Amino acid sequence: DQQVKQNSPSLSVQEGRISILNCDYTNSMFDYFLWYKKYPAEGPTFLISISSIKDKNEDGRFTVFLNKSAKHLSLHIVPSQPGDSAVYFCAAYNNDMRFGAGTRLTVKP
Amino acid sequence: NAGVTQTPKFRILKIGQSMTLQCAQDMNHNYMYWYRQDPGMGLKLIYYSVGAGITDKGEVPNGYNVSRSTTEDFPLRLELAAPSQTSVYFCASSVDRGDQPQHFGDGTRLSIL
Repeated sequence: DQQVKQNSPSLSVQEGRISILNCDYTNSMFDYFLWYKKYPAEGPTFLISISSIKDKNEDGRFTVFLNKSAKHLSLHIVPSQPGDSAVYFCAAYNNDMRFGAGTRLTVKP
Repeated sequence: NAGVTQTPKFRILKIGQSMTLQCAQDMNHNYMYWYRQDPGMGLKLIYYSVGAGITDKGEVPNGYNVSRSTTEDFPLRLELAAPSQTSVYFCASSVDRGDQPQHFGDGTRLSIL
């Protein structure tokens, strides 16, 4: 059962524009959410997280929004840069971590 | 600054063979994890450990075994390799579970033919 879903396998944006990556979850008991970034032939690296008691967390160009009623979170990258091109995984935690399948972001110069 | 080191990076096994995937971390983290990632899927937890001598099953433990004799090392053992175990395996560590980010190794790509 996929408790964390990233329905867009890929996303392409122009450099300087906003990238919005989406993630939906089914388990209302998840209380912590994380985004990881993965380059080819490397392991995922932690990007940003948010607790279920918040609805927004910001770190530089990266902002994560959480909508608990919709069981939806999103990652905004502004402005997008070519170096942001990678696969982005969302993850949700309640006793153990569940990962989405990832969205491949391509930022075109 | 090594972080989490996995060896080997690539391996091809025949059906029925055995092997051990190695994982070591130098951050003195108590928690360590093994995941597998199949094409088009998210990472699935195989086993985890909360400290030396303590291990527990994750979501997909069948066909695997682990041990944790030291804080640094967390090897994953495949006893009788099956084609369904063809995957990319990631080891990770964290200070604690839950809201602490996990640090990942670069993965082991395993093919079983």
